[in-house]
Amino acid sequence: DQQVKQNSPSLSVQEGRISILNCDYTNSMFDYFLWYKKYPAEGPTFLISISSIKDKNEDGRFTVFLNKSAKHLSLHIVPSQPGDSAVYFCAASAIGGSQGNLIFGKGTKLSVKP
Amino acid sequence: DGGITQSPKYLFRKEGQNVTLSCEQNLNHDAMYWYRQDPGQGLRLIYYSQIVNDFQKGDIAEGYSVSREKKESFPLTVTSAQKNPTAFYLCASSATKAAPLYGYTFGSGTRLTVV
Repeated sequence: DQQVKQNSPSLSVQEGRISILNCDYTNSMFDYFLWYKKYPAEGPTFLISISSIKDKNEDGRFTVFLNKSAKHLSLHIVPSQPGDSAVYFCAASAIGGSQGNLIFGKGTKLSVKP
Repeated sequence: DGGITQSPKYLFRKEGQNVTLSCEQNLNHDAMYWYRQDPGQGLRLIYYSQIVNDFQKGDIAEGYSVSREKKESFPLTVTSAQKNPTAFYLCASSATKAAPLYGYTFGSGTRLTVV
């Protein structure tokens, strides 16, 4: 049973436009959400996070939105750049739960075309 | 520089052999994790350890074993019982209580291929 779902395996956008990556979760105990970026043959790197007490967190070109009632979060990248092409993983954690273990989605492969 | 080192980067195993993947961290993190990545499967948790000399099975522990004799080291052994070991293996660590805030730090991975 997947607790964190990324339903789009891939996404292609034009350079300069907005990229929107989506993530849904089922466990209402999750209270912290993170996005990771991964290039081929490398480990994932932390991108941005959001606590459940917020609905938006922004860091430069990256913004994460959280809709708790819909159990949905999204990552916006504006403007998209070719170097953003990578696999993006959504992850969730319940701080009061299993000692901080992260649950990952299956990832969305973003391709930004020049 | 602090970080996680995985070695080797590429590893080839003959069927029926056990192999051990190395993971070392100098971040003074308490918790360490092993994940497996397959195409279309995302990251699946194999084993994790929150403290030295203690570890727990993750979602896909069958055919794998680990040890945590030192805080810095968390080696993973892929045994002959693992029927489909060809995959990309990722090691990660976290300062346990801070994991939800800052997430994990990942190594660069080991690509294991059965020949």
